[in-house]
Amino acid sequence: SQKIEQNSEALNIQEGKTATLTCNYTNYSPAYLQWYRQDPGRGPVFLLLIRENEKEKRKERLKVTFDTTLKQSLFHITASQPADSATYLCALELEYGNKLVFGAGTILRVKS
Amino acid sequence: GAGVSQSPSNKVTEKGKDVELRCDPISGHTALYWYRQRLGQGLEFLIYFQGNSAPDKSGLPSDRFSAERTGESVSTLTIQRTQQEDSAVYLCASSSYDSPLHFGNGTRLTVT
Repeated sequence: SQKIEQNSEALNIQEGKTATLTCNYTNYSPAYLQWYRQDPGRGPVFLLLIRENEKEKRKERLKVTFDTTLKQSLFHITASQPADSATYLCALELEYGNKLVFGAGTILRVKS
Repeated sequence: GAGVSQSPSNKVTEKGKDVELRCDPISGHTALYWYRQRLGQGLEFLIYFQGNSAPDKSGLPSDRFSAERTGESVSTLTIQRTQQEDSAVYLCASSSYDSPLHFGNGTRLTVT
């Protein structure tokens, strides 16, 4: 069956360190993978999109990698700040214009 | 500019009653999604509208759930004969061809 798995345990890190979140998937061949941030009581907010033919994408302190052989994406936040504390969701799109399927999310807590 | 708007923001209903949830997407967005998010869980896909194509209803959990969308405008999600297990946050999102999903802040449904 198709699965998207993210770290079920919350990730607690110290301010200034790099946070690394994992998204693994099985029985999918996504054309696109996206990462979203969700704060309590709010809808998710888009962060980054990476295509199947891209290995890495960066935006300010954020970096996403996409390994279609390992069926894994890593999401990095460098120089983390307490304001980065949130739930981070990965989502797969099988082809452009198709529905977006989400993982359960990983809670990140950055302590000062 | 205006984002995705959902109403009501909170709804408390008695078991067995019908409820209707509304989503106003961003103007010009051809795609519209409904997701359900139970407390502490990820986003569960419900239904996806894309332009004039037949909607993808593959995520609707039972025939008590239905959704409509008129053209590229407002969508309503209807839950008939509500059950306590229907208690969750219902999130709506819209997108255009070259944009990621833009989410509303959801409707928190509580079935007593």
